Amino acid sequence: GQQVMQIPQYQHVQEGEDFTTYCNSSTTLSNIQWYKQRPGGHPVFLIQLVKSGEVKKQKRLTFQFGEAKKNSSLHITATQTTDVGTYFCARVYTGNQFYFGTGTSLTVIP
Amino acid sequence: DGGITQSPKYLFRKEGQNVTLSCEQNLNHDAMYWYRQDPGQGLRLIYYSQIVNDFQKGDIAEGYSVSREKKESFPLTVTSAQKNPTAFYLCASSIPGPYRPSSYNEQFFGPGTRLTVL
Repeated sequence: GQQVMQIPQYQHVQEGEDFTTYCNSSTTLSNIQWYKQRPGGHPVFLIQLVKSGEVKKQKRLTFQFGEAKKNSSLHITATQTTDVGTYFCARVYTGNQFYFGTGTSLTVIP
Repeated sequence: DGGITQSPKYLFRKEGQNVTLSCEQNLNHDAMYWYRQDPGQGLRLIYYSQIVNDFQKGDIAEGYSVSREKKESFPLTVTSAQKNPTAFYLCASSIPGPYRPSSYNEQFFGPGTRLTVL
């Protein structure tokens, strides 16, 4: 019940194409966070979603939180080579424990 | 510069030896965490601490130990009881301890230590 499932595990796109990763939970989430980890690097916080149906944008990145607060998505419009990396969702559990999804590894082909 | 430091970046040890990974933060954060990352997998929580002199086990605590004697430091010891210790270890911190609202709980990660047991 604490896990968050993320799909797809890998995604290869041509530069300029769009990309979406999905995060799903069997239980209602109090919030969901998204992180990006560049190859060889460490995860960096992108955003936190809290409200049902919430949509937030950061330039070409659009984050959504489902109406039932059981799923979330990250969509990148017109990918660039700088978008390469692994994107993780994370749920914050009681006591400030974090449970990370397995991540989606994005490769952008120039 | 404020941040989290982990040392060393790469570490090699012989099987059967204990090894301690360092994690220091000067962000004045209450909470600190240790994660393990294996290729193609997400981050799995080993231990976390919300306040000095207190820590809790995560999902994969077996074979690991920690201490939190100072707010700034949260060292992780990988003991010989850990069956598959070769992995990438990440330390993180966040603002809230047990008395702060959970909305301020973005995690800041250190650069990681890649441990290889030969």
